[in-house]
Amino acid sequence: DAGVIQSPRHEVTEMGQEVTLRCKPISGHDYLFWYRQTMMRGLELLIYFNNNVPIDDSGMPEDRFSAKMPNASFSTLKIQPSEPRDSAVYFCASSFMGGGYGYTFGSGTRLTVV
Amino acid sequence: AQSVTQLDSHVSVSEGTPVLLRCNYSSSYSPSLFWYVQHPNKGLQLLLKYTSAATLVKGINGFEAEFKKSETSFHLTKPSAHMSDAAEYFCVVSDRNNDMRFGAGTRLTVKP
Repeated sequence: DAGVIQSPRHEVTEMGQEVTLRCKPISGHDYLFWYRQTMMRGLELLIYFNNNVPIDDSGMPEDRFSAKMPNASFSTLKIQPSEPRDSAVYFCASSFMGGGYGYTFGSGTRLTVV
Repeated sequence: AQSVTQLDSHVSVSEGTPVLLRCNYSSSYSPSLFWYVQHPNKGLQLLLKYTSAATLVKGINGFEAEFKKSETSFHLTKPSAHMSDAAEYFCVVSDRNNDMRFGAGTRLTVKP
């Protein structure tokens, strides 16, 4: 298995533009998580899905952020409109049967909003 | 609710000397505990996990951790540091399947 695949690896965009981050989880994993990592706040859980259904989105910072999982092999995190304070590394992770066995993380997308 | 505290934000050791990264946790239930490593510009990689089996857990790259319930600790150790061990290390606690809490991280520096 190729692991959790995220794209793009790097994204630079101007303030106000729409940004879409993509994630392909490990085949057979039934949980998918989106995290954001910054120096100031560390790793923050934004949202997670179970069997493609959003379960907890309480970590999503505001309405500018949205996430979808149309099928078991694909998820997106969208920011519209983007702001400089959204600059961070965004990680996707997947797991089988929740967190009890640990997560497998993707390599992340480094987002810079200028 | 569970939480985890990594007691050192930065640890510096010389190559070939032991490594100790400290982690204390708080949990209302029997927790699962993990250590992850993050090398620069990389994702997080699972080093080892404790899920209520043996209290001494062996992981990859020679790391191990011991679960001590009486001390609510899960410290990460390695007998001899290697230059390639330089990275950020995260202690993680989970007491329900879907709620993993990450520590703030410990940056390990290995001097030649």
